[in-house]
Amino acid sequence: SAVISQKPSRDICQRGTSLTIQCQVDSQVTMMFWYRQQPGQSLTLIATANQGSEATYESGFVIDKFPISRPNLTFSTLTVSNMSPEDSSIYLCSVRDNNYGYTFGSGTRLTVV
Amino acid sequence: DQQVKQNSPSLSVQEGRISILNCDYTNSMFDYFLWYKKYPAEGPTFLISISSIKDKNEDGRFTVFLNKSAKHLSLHIVPSQPGDSAVYFCAASALNQGGKLIFGQGTELSVKP
Repeated sequence: SAVISQKPSRDICQRGTSLTIQCQVDSQVTMMFWYRQQPGQSLTLIATANQGSEATYESGFVIDKFPISRPNLTFSTLTVSNMSPEDSSIYLCSVRDNNYGYTFGSGTRLTVV
Repeated sequence: DQQVKQNSPSLSVQEGRISILNCDYTNSMFDYFLWYKKYPAEGPTFLISISSIKDKNEDGRFTVFLNKSAKHLSLHIVPSQPGDSAVYFCAASALNQGGKLIFGQGTELSVKP
């Protein structure tokens, strides 16, 4: 299965600032996804990162708050903008590889103070 | 609208006994189901999956059962080991709905020696 390198693994940020999370995959994948896991909650899909076009956002998530880039088939970034304490979560990227398997990055634990 | 539900937030089992984790879903278009295991500060790790054309899939100590008429799946772990203690998420996807994974809320399994 694909191997994902996700950075940073954790960060503590001041409210009002932005953080960009990177995901690098060791192979070309068509589908990449970004998830959020708030404390004690399940994983919630933020958006599907599409190569060469705008990301597709789920209900409750908007591009201004979570801009996503997908410049090629092996890389994507998620930015958490204008952060507030409510954005404190684990953020995860995921890919679906060609044999219909899903692999996750190790996650970014974000704390906003 | 919670399309995937895990109604038991926690489960405690004695080492060597069977662990049964349950999951219900509402979307009849789901055609692929997966179970993930998650430790704190790590991304989810894939355990086992099942296609909607099957009703059982087995991999070592892990067996997943799918009852499409009841829209229910379960994960059986036998024998349970202390190292199995983690949060278990079931997830489902529909290929004709973008292939994105929808997760349940998770069940925290504790296997006691």
